[in-house]
Amino acid sequence: ILNVEQSPQSLHVQEGDSTNFTCSFPSSNFYALHWYRWETAKSPEALFVMTLNGDEKKKGRISATLNTKEGYSYLYIKGSQPEDSATYLCAFRGSTLGRLYFGRGTQLTVWP
Amino acid sequence: GAGVSQSPRYKVAKRGQDVALRCDPISGHVSLFWYQQALGQGPEFLTYFQNEAQLDKSGLPSDRFFAERPEGSVSTLKIQRTQQEDSAVYLCASSLAGGAEQFFGPGTRLTVL
Repeated sequence: ILNVEQSPQSLHVQEGDSTNFTCSFPSSNFYALHWYRWETAKSPEALFVMTLNGDEKKKGRISATLNTKEGYSYLYIKGSQPEDSATYLCAFRGSTLGRLYFGRGTQLTVWP
Repeated sequence: GAGVSQSPRYKVAKRGQDVALRCDPISGHVSLFWYQQALGQGPEFLTYFQNEAQLDKSGLPSDRFFAERPEGSVSTLKIQRTQQEDSAVYLCASSLAGGAEQFFGPGTRLTVL
């Protein structure tokens, strides 16, 4: 069984706060780590695909880091806005087929 | 459209009914995946197609679940004799190749009463 864990399960912050969440995954047979943002009633939207140990990626106020040797990735949101409210999913891909192994997600609510 | 589309968006079925869920991938995408997300869980892999070939169906939970992609484009996930535990969001994703980034549809929420 391949375990992908995300924490915290849910998070409530005030507008303007910065926040971060964690994804842990197996450190063996690593191919890629995906982050998705999923708003209710919409399609999951790809944020980052990370492949190299030490990778850091940034998209606007959102950034992510990757440590494949210890099996974790952090997602950071700087200056949270209400429109950042969504579920953030991470997904691990091993070295074989393209199937993704998802965590349960972190549900973020940003209050105005 | 430019993205992956799924229909219906919502489906309510009585226990024992058969249902069919449709996925229209992005044009030209070779690979197509189905995932099932039960309440409180992350999406879980069901099956994977490369063109019309079903290369991996190891995630299908029982022989009541069947998926096809006869012309290598549109895919249908069929669930026979639905049970309450089949209630979930069914997500479809497509990609240019098996190892490439996956683009997801909005999902079909199935409720079995």
